[in-house]
Order: sequence, then structure tokens, then C-alpha cells
Amino acid sequence: GAGVSQSPSNKVTEKGKDVELRCDPISGHTALYWYRQSLGQGLEFLIYFQGNSAPDKSGLPSDRFSAERTGGSVSTLTIQRTQQEDSAVYLCASMQDRLNTEAFFGQGTRLTVV
Amino acid sequence: AQTVTQSQPEMSVQEAETVTLSCTYDTSENNYYLFWYKQPPSRQMILVIRQEAYKQQNATENRFSVNFQKAAKSFSLKISDSQLGDTAMYFCASCKNQGGKLIFGQGTELSVKP
Repeated sequence: GAGVSQSPSNKVTEKGKDVELRCDPISGHTALYWYRQSLGQGLEFLIYFQGNSAPDKSGLPSDRFSAERTGGSVSTLTIQRTQQEDSAVYLCASMQDRLNTEAFFGQGTRLTVV
Repeated sequence: AQTVTQSQPEMSVQEAETVTLSCTYDTSENNYYLFWYKQPPSRQMILVIRQEAYKQQNATENRFSVNFQKAAKSFSLKISDSQLGDTAMYFCASCKNQGGKLIFGQGTELSVKP
């Protein structure tokens, strides 16, 4: 596809379960970002991948959160032992680093922990 | 530290009038980019306008323009001839040149009233 794709679009999980959220960036985009957006709030930076460099994980809120990016393309955000406060929309974006033109966003995954 | 601050949680404007949204930022970089993104109720993030910090001329995109004051680290967005479709959350963001963390402000919820 031409845009950033995220799956699933909605996820309901029980407290304590692990979840995986997927992001397919635009082909050729070297930078990939994950954000968390709570209801009516701003975008909280979680993690940033740039090419083959070590990711910037400075925004991950706890060690229950992790992310990987395989082959410089698809990324997976994993939340272990989910808590109710993890409920939010998780947005992924990709950008062609060297041009800094625009970050393209996916539609997000709405995660609800019950 | 890289920060972006939007001090207006909510704004409203009458249709066809002009409104200005404020944004201040802090960065230690000499070369960086600034953005305004729009997030309508559909949740899709859309780039409104982009400014390169080394360019003194303020960016303009149709009804949208910015007032970039580099020394004051201020980057406000002016929307002229406001339309009902401009109703959305607006986020200010900054990113250093050649890639880096893309950091967002808290957002301003704009309502355009008929």
C-alpha cells in the first residue's frame, strides 16, 4: 500500500495479557516512530528507529514496553502484562530521514485493557 | 532537552475569520524543522505546514501561514478564512535536521463555529 498501515485497528485485551501492535511503514522510509495518545491528549513519544542505528527508546514508559523493527521495515510494539493505564491509541509514523519532508502516520491502534 | 509547548488547550473561531495558534519550543540544535499537524475526529494525522529553521521566510500554504520567530523560539500558526472543516486538534512538532526524535506539543483543539 501507499501509506502507513497499522494492525489491528482495535484491540481489547484483559489486564495482565501481552499484546503486539504492528506497523508497516512506507517502503523506503528510514525513520519509524511510535507514539501513545491517551483520550484527548497529545502524542507521547515512545521509540524511534533510524536506519540501522540503535533505536532511541527514551520514551518507553516501563520495561513492559518494547519494540523491534525487522529488516528496516515492519515494526512491532509489544506491551507485556498490560495494565488499564495502557489503554490508549498507539500511532506509528514513518519519514524519509534525509529529506525531513513529512512524517506519515497510520490510523493507529486503539488498545483497551479491561 | 527537546520540548514543544502549546499553551492553548482550546480555541474557537467564527467561520471566515482568522485565528492564531501558539507554539513555543526548545532545542539545542542549530538546524531543525518545525511542523504543524492537524488531527480531525477521524484520528488521521495530516501535515498542515512545515518550516525549515535555516529559512527566515515564513512558510505559507494557502490559508495557512506561520510566524516563525527563531530567537524567541516561537512558531505560531495562522488560519485565515476559517472553514468548518478546519475543526480539529492541531499539534506543533519539532525535529532536528537529518532525522531525530519528532516531538509534539500537547495540542490545541480548534472549533470553527458557523
